[in-house]
Amino acid sequence: GAGVSQSPSNKVTEKGKDVELRCDPISGHTALYWYRQSLGQGLEFLIYFQGNSAPDKSGLPSDRFSAERTGGSVSTLTIQRTQQEDSAVYLCASSPPGSGQFFGPGTRLTVL
Amino acid sequence: GQNIDQPTEMTATEGAIVQINCTYQTSGFNGLFWYQQHAGEAPTFLSYNVLDGLEEKGRFSSFLSRSKGYSYLLLKELQMKDSASYLCAVSRSNYQLIWGAGTKLIIKP
Repeated sequence: GAGVSQSPSNKVTEKGKDVELRCDPISGHTALYWYRQSLGQGLEFLIYFQGNSAPDKSGLPSDRFSAERTGGSVSTLTIQRTQQEDSAVYLCASSPPGSGQFFGPGTRLTVL
Repeated sequence: GQNIDQPTEMTATEGAIVQINCTYQTSGFNGLFWYQQHAGEAPTFLSYNVLDGLEEKGRFSSFLSRSKGYSYLLLKELQMKDSASYLCAVSRSNYQLIWGAGTKLIIKP
């Protein structure tokens, strides 16, 4: 597609449930990033993919968070046993090497 | 450590000029980005500076001084639609960006 797409746009879940967030990057972009942004806060880096591998997972807050990328394209971010503090907007971005990042519209996650 | 500082909030008048400053201390530098983020939306790319000096793009200009660890974003002829947060980000390598917390710009008529 023309831009980065994410699904769902909104997700409301109950505490303790697992959620999967999906990101479709811009075709041909080798790098893919996941960020988290709480209301009124800056971007919190979660994980970076180069192709299918994740050289930097340093931002994942806990072992409840995991991500994978297949075929050098689509990525899923999985949060297991969600907690209320996981509520935030989860943003995905992609970029060609050495260039700026292009962001998707985000998934707003609300954990009740 | 890595540190990027921007003012938390600024207010300006429609039609005026505003300068948003960003200072950084990072181990490694591969360029500086400015992004605009409207409330409830994803950030969008504004500018990229890798060499010292001023880059002008329409009403928006961005300046970089690598020796001073300093950049600014200059917005001219402010419009109400320019009300947004402006994020400064430093590239440390081909992939890693360090993000500032953003400056919320409020435009008043």
